[in-house]
Amino acid sequence: GAVVSQHPSWVICKSGTSVKIECRSLDFQATTMFWYRQFPKQSLMLMATSNEGSKATYEQGVEKDKFLINHASLTLSTLTVTSAHPEDSSFYICSASLKLAFTDTQYFGPGTRLTVL
Amino acid sequence: GENVEQHPSTLSVQEGDSAVIKCTYSDSASNYFPWYKQELGKRPQLIIDIRSNVGEKKDQRIAVTLNKTAKHFSLHITETQPEDSAVYFCAAQGDSWGKLQFGAGTQVVVTP
Repeated sequence: GAVVSQHPSWVICKSGTSVKIECRSLDFQATTMFWYRQFPKQSLMLMATSNEGSKATYEQGVEKDKFLINHASLTLSTLTVTSAHPEDSSFYICSASLKLAFTDTQYFGPGTRLTVL
Repeated sequence: GENVEQHPSTLSVQEGDSAVIKCTYSDSASNYFPWYKQELGKRPQLIIDIRSNVGEKKDQRIAVTLNKTAKHFSLHITETQPEDSAVYFCAAQGDSWGKLQFGAGTQVVVTP
């Protein structure tokens, strides 16, 4: 149980294009999902908190107009990197929050490696 | 906000020995402390977690201890095996949204 998928697993795009990444909770409903970015040999940096049916909450320093987040259903959140540039190249990972009576556990997707040429 | 520090950054152990990773946190309101294992290019996988109403938790070869007063928690891996080689991240959660603040990670290398 608690499986999170992410698509695509990798993408290469030209500078200036937009890229959409999907995150799905396959066997549970997630009112909250999170988007992280991870550079090589570094920790996970939270970009934004995505709540179903409402606007995402972005961390300080993350441009909300560049990283568009949509959480339209209880099992799907999308991250769109708009006008991508080489500095946006990174490993993007989502997580979905499984909330039970007294627990709130994050399960991670497999990640998407974005390379912007 | 919450700040989590993790040590050491790298840890090399002989197969069969124990490995210990330590984390400290700053926000006394944090009440959930998961540990994730991440292999190169893969997703972080939850390996064990502990809540603030518990001092210790064990699952086979891994255990986690929590000292709320000192605001630190530790991961213990006994009888290490080569497949334990990975990066391990500690995290702390205390915010109502369930946000996790991660430590910087520990690269564990188990040599046969």
